[in-house]
Amino acid sequence: GENVEQHPSTLSVQEGDSAVIKCTYSDSASNYFPWYKQELGKRPQLIIDIRSNVGEKKDQRIAVTLNKTAKHFSLHITETQPEDSAVYFCAARGNMLTFGGGTRLMVKP
Amino acid sequence: GAVVSQHPSWVICKSGTSVKIECRSLDFQATTMFWYRQFPKQSLMLMATSNEGSKATYEQGVEKDKFLINHASLTLSTLTVTSAHPEDSSFYICSASGGATNEKLFFGSGTQLSVL
Repeated sequence: GENVEQHPSTLSVQEGDSAVIKCTYSDSASNYFPWYKQELGKRPQLIIDIRSNVGEKKDQRIAVTLNKTAKHFSLHITETQPEDSAVYFCAARGNMLTFGGGTRLMVKP
Repeated sequence: GAVVSQHPSWVICKSGTSVKIECRSLDFQATTMFWYRQFPKQSLMLMATSNEGSKATYEQGVEKDKFLINHASLTLSTLTVTSAHPEDSSFYICSASGGATNEKLFFGSGTQLSVL
């Protein structure tokens, strides 16, 4: 089955800096890669997704890149703000959606 | 985006009792619903996948007699934790997929279960 690895597990940045979270996947048939943001005690919220026919997608301060050959994809958050502090999960969909282990992002004011 | 409602959000029960958690898709028909368990500071662990009108598919290691799932309609799935014990205490989240692409997942707000 699919295996999704996510790094780092924790990330601390200064407000205004950029944050990058990386994920690798094992199933070359996976074709959909969403990213979720989960605040403490709340539901995961889809923040951006990318399909395998696209290499990059951007939505304001958030961007995702996908390298199908290397089987890795990354989340980039620019100009980070304290409200970006949360746990971020990547996921990859082949036969089913498999989640990465999560990254706890802390943005210091 | 689509809305998934999950109830209750928090439940405390005595050991040995059963607890039912409901997951509803409010504005779309969810052909498939998923149930996850999440421990503190950990990722979402898929427990089972339920398709409307058929038996749920459980992940390896998940006791189907312990975690009963019913998906009787396109808008409602229930998870019943039977004879709950303290080790069942956890955060349970449902999600539903549907819509034109049946690709995007929409999550419920989660249920924090505490078994005394």
